[in-house]
Amino acid sequence: NAGVTQTPKFRVLKTGQSMTLLCAQDMNHEYMYWYRQDPGMGLRLIHYSVGEGTTAKGEVPDGYNVSRLKKQNFLLGLESAAPSQTSVYFCASSWTGQYNEQFFGPGTRLTVL
Amino acid sequence: KNEVEQSPQNLTAQEGEFITINCSYSVGISALHWLQQHPGGGIVSLFMLSSGKKKHGRLIATINIQEKHSSLHITASHPRDSAVYICAVALSGSARQLTFGSGTQLTVLP
Repeated sequence: NAGVTQTPKFRVLKTGQSMTLLCAQDMNHEYMYWYRQDPGMGLRLIHYSVGEGTTAKGEVPDGYNVSRLKKQNFLLGLESAAPSQTSVYFCASSWTGQYNEQFFGPGTRLTVL
Repeated sequence: KNEVEQSPQNLTAQEGEFITINCSYSVGISALHWLQQHPGGGIVSLFMLSSGKKKHGRLIATINIQEKHSSLHITASHPRDSAVYICAVALSGSARQLTFGSGTQLTVLP
């Protein structure tokens, strides 16, 4: 099993450009999450999904959109990138239920110039 | 004030030392997680606790719900334990979402 994979691993954008980050999991998990990690701060939840076709806002959703058209994939979109979105982005997935551990992808390092 | 506070922020130890990392939180929770972030950036879940104590190899995690405090202990530390250790809590009533501490950078010297 590959677990949770993310593409791309690195990306440099110019301000105003758009891009989509792809997260895929092969564990049949219902829940998926997108986080951002910035220096000196803890991981912060951007959006999450509790099942195919559903999404919800997390702590820092502004400037991002998500879609979960297939259970195994969770896409994070930046419509008009800003330097403040320079960060490392992590995707995670988990089984249903409140006591389940989250499995993380390797991260995507995004720089917006 | 952050809802999840970790201490210390940085910790350097000699190989073989007993290590303790602390996590305090200010809200009601349903569960607490300890995670490890490797130097390469990958994040791995170590423990999930809702009460008591758990042990896995040289790692021990404890939680005191009344005092809103958890500790992660590493016995007989080794340089390969060098990583960032992250505490995260699942807030009561919002168990799908985790609130993370900013992490403790541990360096174990040979």
